[in-house]
Amino acid sequence: GAGVSQSPRYKVAKRGQDVALRCDPISGHVSLFWYQQALGQGPEFLTYFQNEAQLDKSGLPSDRFFAERPEGSVSTLKIQRTQQEDSAVYLCASSSTLFDRNTIYFGEGSWLTVV
Amino acid sequence: KQEVTQIPAALSVPEGENLVLNCSFTDSAIYNLQWFRQDPGKGLTSLLLIQSSQREQTSGRLNASLDKSSGRSTLYIAASQPGDSATYLCAVGKTSGSRLTFGEGTQLTVNP
Repeated sequence: GAGVSQSPRYKVAKRGQDVALRCDPISGHVSLFWYQQALGQGPEFLTYFQNEAQLDKSGLPSDRFFAERPEGSVSTLKIQRTQQEDSAVYLCASSSTLFDRNTIYFGEGSWLTVV
Repeated sequence: KQEVTQIPAALSVPEGENLVLNCSFTDSAIYNLQWFRQDPGKGLTSLLLIQSSQREQTSGRLNASLDKSSGRSTLYIAASQPGDSATYLCAVGKTSGSRLTFGEGTQLTVNP
């Protein structure tokens, strides 16, 4: 596809359940970012990949959060033992090189509700 | 730690009005600043990207300015239209390829 694709678009999880959120970046994009956006707030950085290397994971809120991009394209954000405070939109973004003079493209997000 | 503040949080204007959205940041050592638009239930769309060495960028009816030393940016929207209704987010990057720090956004409503 032409844009950043995320799946599932909507996920309802019971507290304690594990979830996996997928991101398909724009083909050939080197940089991939994950952000978490709570209702009415701006996005908060979670983690960043350059190709398959996870260069910054300082925004991951706890060790229940794990992200990978094993082949430098598709990425998965995994949340173990979900809690109610994990309810948010998870946004994936990609850019063609280091985020320099190139535009960053966001997906429409995966909306997670933990009940 | 970088903090980004956007004022106002919400704005409602009649169609045709010119308007200004404000963004301020606490650490002036930024690499670039970007304005995004977010429609309800959608992702973010990049509007304008200003490098730290630039003072402004223009695209159509949009003009963004950057005063790095004072930690401020403004987004000017000329002749507003109902289709401009959305949340506008400001974000700063500290280095090339680094994370973005976002403000909380300004929710704009343009009334026909």
